[in-house]
Amino acid sequence: GAVVSQHPSWVICKSGTSVKIECRSLDFQATTMFWYRQFPKQSLMLMATSNEGSKATYEQGVEKDKFLINHASLTLSTLTVTSAHPEDSSFYICSARDLWSSYNEQFFGPGTRLTVL
Amino acid sequence: AQSVTQLDSQVPVFEEAPVELRCNYSSSVSVYLFWYVQYPNQGLQLLLKYLSGSTLVKGINGFEAEFNKSQTSFHLRKPSVHISDTAEYFCAVSDLTDSWGKLQFGAGTQVVVTP
Repeated sequence: GAVVSQHPSWVICKSGTSVKIECRSLDFQATTMFWYRQFPKQSLMLMATSNEGSKATYEQGVEKDKFLINHASLTLSTLTVTSAHPEDSSFYICSARDLWSSYNEQFFGPGTRLTVL
Repeated sequence: AQSVTQLDSQVPVFEEAPVELRCNYSSSVSVYLFWYVQYPNQGLQLLLKYLSGSTLVKGINGFEAEFNKSQTSFHLRKPSVHISDTAEYFCAVSDLTDSWGKLQFGAGTQVVVTP
């Protein structure tokens, strides 16, 4: 149980285009999903907290107009990188918190490798 | 606000030898504590967690960790490592009063197991 999927697992795009990454909780409901960014050999940096049916909460320094987050249902959150540039190339990881969890465990997706040319 | 310090960025270890990964945290409130493992180009997998109760926590793959409140530490140990334990390990904390359940991660410790 507690499986989180991400699609695509990797994507290469041209500079200036937009890319959408999906995060799904497959066997549980997630009111809260998180989006992280990870640079090579570094830790995870929380970008935003996504709640079903409401606007995402972005961490300081993260451009909300560049990284659009939509949490349309209890099992799906999407991250759209708009007008991508090479500096947006990174490993993006989502996680989901079980609606019924009494503690703060997060279940992580396998990540999406974005390369912007 | 919390912070997490993983004291070792890289730990080389021989196969079948023990390993300890150190994690210290600071927080003004009570926290939940977690250890995650990340294999190359993959997401994070939970190894173990401390919520309350016994300070010695056993997790998957033979790992265990001990919560020490006075030293604000949560060190991870394995008595005998395998080649397959080569990975990045992250310690994380979550504030009990945080309704979002945000995690604060340490910088990570790269474990390299050699024959």
